[in-house]
Amino acid sequence: SQQGEEDPQALSIQEGENATMNCSYKTSINNLQWYRQNSGRGLVHLILIRSNEREKHSGRLRVTLDTSKKSSSLLITASRAADTASYFCATVTNDMRFGAGTRLTVKP
Amino acid sequence: NAGVTQTPKFQVLKTGQSMTLQCAQDMNHEYMSWYRQDPGMGLRLIHYSVGAGITDQGEVPNGYNVSRSTTEDFPLRLLSAAPSQTSVYFCASRSDLAYEQYFGPGTRLTVT
Repeated sequence: SQQGEEDPQALSIQEGENATMNCSYKTSINNLQWYRQNSGRGLVHLILIRSNEREKHSGRLRVTLDTSKKSSSLLITASRAADTASYFCATVTNDMRFGAGTRLTVKP
Repeated sequence: NAGVTQTPKFQVLKTGQSMTLQCAQDMNHEYMSWYRQDPGMGLRLIHYSVGAGITDQGEVPNGYNVSRSTTEDFPLRLLSAAPSQTSVYFCASRSDLAYEQYFGPGTRLTVT
């Protein structure tokens, strides 16, 4: 079974608003990563957070990790229409496994 | 660097046929993986390799074989194609568990 589960499955917001996606997982991890996918193309890495880190920032992205709750969240601030895509969390143990993703739509 | 390359981009097979999906990377990465993605679902791990000569099963290995004779190449073999294997297949590589993974563009496979 897939390790991570994203919530919500789909999110629709207006340009300029913030988007928050959550990921829950089941086992201890080495690190957790977030990826973006546009229309069935290959995934592109966004940000990585290690198991001993609690928060990380990269541009308009903010990721948090709570290992006690086995959960992570991805915040995209000041969203743009170009942020429309599917976002996946991936948990890394001996391998890397993905959740089902959140489909984000940002309306102009 | 070309990164991760996959061939073919599209393939149609008849039930029972076999074929090999090719994957190559030029980044000298030790870790390589194969995933499949079905509509509305995330990526599911088929097989992975932590170095030349070493492979292991992922979540959905049945019906697929892999080998890793070189660092660069990681082919995925479908032994006897079934309609349930209709999917988009992605190959990926990374240098270490602690680093990001790079994905190929995908192979869209249809089995009729």
